[in-house]
Formats: sequence, structure tokens, C-alpha cells
Amino acid sequence: KAGVTQTPRYLIKTRGQQVTLSCSPISGHRSVSWYQQTPGQGLQFLFEYFSETQRNKGNFPGRFSGRQFSNSRSEMNVSTLELGDSALYLCASSLEEVQYFGPGTRLTVT
Amino acid sequence: DAKTTQPPSMDCAEGRAANLPCNHSTISGNEYVYWYRQIHSQGPQYIIHGLKNNETNEMASLIITEDRKSSTLILPHATLRDTAVYYCIVSHNGGATNKLIFGTGTLLAVQP
Repeated sequence: KAGVTQTPRYLIKTRGQQVTLSCSPISGHRSVSWYQQTPGQGLQFLFEYFSETQRNKGNFPGRFSGRQFSNSRSEMNVSTLELGDSALYLCASSLEEVQYFGPGTRLTVT
Repeated sequence: DAKTTQPPSMDCAEGRAANLPCNHSTISGNEYVYWYRQIHSQGPQYIIHGLKNNETNEMASLIITEDRKSSTLILPHATLRDTAVYYCIVSHNGGATNKLIFGTGTLLAVQP
């Protein structure tokens, strides 16, 4: 089976702009979780979607949002970008007990 | 906050077994122990997980103490490609929630 794919792999945006990142889960996986990784804060949970519904949410401001489509693909959106949003954004999909991560999207905000 | 404690770094000679410890003294009865590793700037890679029995797969072995308050990940014959940050996580993943709380992990450096 193909693994979790994320697009784009690299992105450069300017402060104040908004960005949308995409994640395609492993075929058959219905749960998609998003994480942010920065040197200062490490790997932090953003939110989880299951069957098109947000099931879990981490401690991030409302500028971070997401959605899931009927085919389980997911997108996350960050509005009004700040320099501190520069990070590796990781998506993971799971069927039962194990989450499998994608390669991530490296976002740089200038 | 992460519910696990790991040493920040460890060294291992190539070809030898790498034993990575993890303390999780507040683990609850329905929480699994998961191990992931992350090679620089890549997505975390799942290694193994267990509830209370020892587990083995093609990558590693997981030894969980009888009281479940600590565990050890064993890489039987470490190679240079095993150099990575290893994360030990406890979670009742699956079911109604899929959420992993990552700590700072152990940086394993395999030396030639």
C-alpha cells in the first residue's frame, strides 16, 4: 500500500498570508491527525479528523483549522501567518491502534 | 506534558544491540506503549507498540516490565542508519481518539 502523502513538501509564505496543506491517508484509513514540529516546542498535536468530523483538538489558536473529505483526504489551513508558524507540519493516518506519518510539509514564513 | 521520561542521548557501536530505556510510571491500564523514531527532518516512523506483553517485529523488540512502569526498546544489531531520535509514547490510541503526546525523545548515535 502507498504510504501517507503530503503536498506540497516545501512552501514559503509571507506574514499575513494564508496557507492550505493537503494530506492523503493510507487507503482504508479513516482517521487523520495533524501535528506541528518546531525546534522550540517539539512535536505538538494540532487536531484529528474521523469520518469528516473533528474528534480531537490540541491547544492552538483558531487561525489553525482543518477539514476532512468523504474520501478521508484532509486539509489544514493556517490564516494570517506569523513568523512563529514556520514549522514542519506532519499528517498521520490510522486504522486501529497505530498512526503512520507522512513526510511532512516544511513551511517557512518570511 | 509528555508522560514518559527518556535519556536525552545515547551512543551505540555499530553491530551491537541498542537498548533504549523509557519510564512511564503514571501509565494507566488501557494505555499502550509506542515507539517511533525520526530521522532528521523526516516524518516519524512507527517501530513497535505493546500493552503488557513483550513484543517483537522485524525492526525491534519491546520489553515492558511487569508493573508496566517502564520499558526498553531493543535494536538487536544497530547500523548507522539507525541513528535517529527515538520517542517513547504512552497513549490509549485508537477507539475514540488518535492523539500522540511526544516528549523530547532519545537521540541515538550509532558509531562506526
